[in-house]
Amino acid sequence: DIVMTQSPDSLPVSLGERATINCKSSQSVLYRSNNKNYLAWYQQKPGQPPKQLIYWASTRESGVPDRFSGSGSGTDFTLTISSLRAEDVAVYYCQQYYSTPTFGQGTKLEIK
Amino acid sequence: EVQLVQSGAEVKKPGESLKISCKASGYRFTSYWIAWVRQMPGKGLEWMGVIYPGDSDTRHSPSFQGQVTISADKSISTAYLQWTNLKASDTAMYYCARHLATGFPFDYWGQGTLVTVSS
Repeated sequence: DIVMTQSPDSLPVSLGERATINCKSSQSVLYRSNNKNYLAWYQQKPGQPPKQLIYWASTRESGVPDRFSGSGSGTDFTLTISSLRAEDVAVYYCQQYYSTPTFGQGTKLEIK
Repeated sequence: EVQLVQSGAEVKKPGESLKISCKASGYRFTSYWIAWVRQMPGKGLEWMGVIYPGDSDTRHSPSFQGQVTISADKSISTAYLQWTNLKASDTAMYYCARHLATGFPFDYWGQGTLVTVSS
């Protein structure tokens, strides 16, 4: 299985500031024949199921605010929230779907 | 509107059996895969397995193979996750989630079913 490792585990950020979450895969999730990275980001708020934010590493799901962006390729990926709002407090997970799906351990985003 | 509605919370004793459900609506049930994902208390997400209701093709994570059974009834657009011998370590929230095919992300999730196994 591909192992997904996120950093940091916990991230305190002030309101209005930028939040950056990193995700590293144990092997490349870039499928060369279509040049797509099989990487998604999910947001899970307390007491709720996960919600898809980003897929193909950088495509925002419909309705997701544009302050959320995804970048990276191959084995290294980043989720960026450009200006943190209170409603963004959640745990964020990366997931690879290149092979049997696996998730990162999660990053807890909180207000500083 | 796509919806995955899961059955309610369960409290069981070790050794008991259980079947939880995930009812789909708002799309063609037989055209999408349904995955099951475990979240133990305070922990992350673990993929358990998946079923394609169109032909009942089923794959399990090696970690869960032999521990659970995944099935679906396409006549009522419902997927199931079943245990025959629950353990305390099965205590967790279980989510179903939809994806278009292997190699696609999970675009819709059920609300979750909390399973508590305690003597």
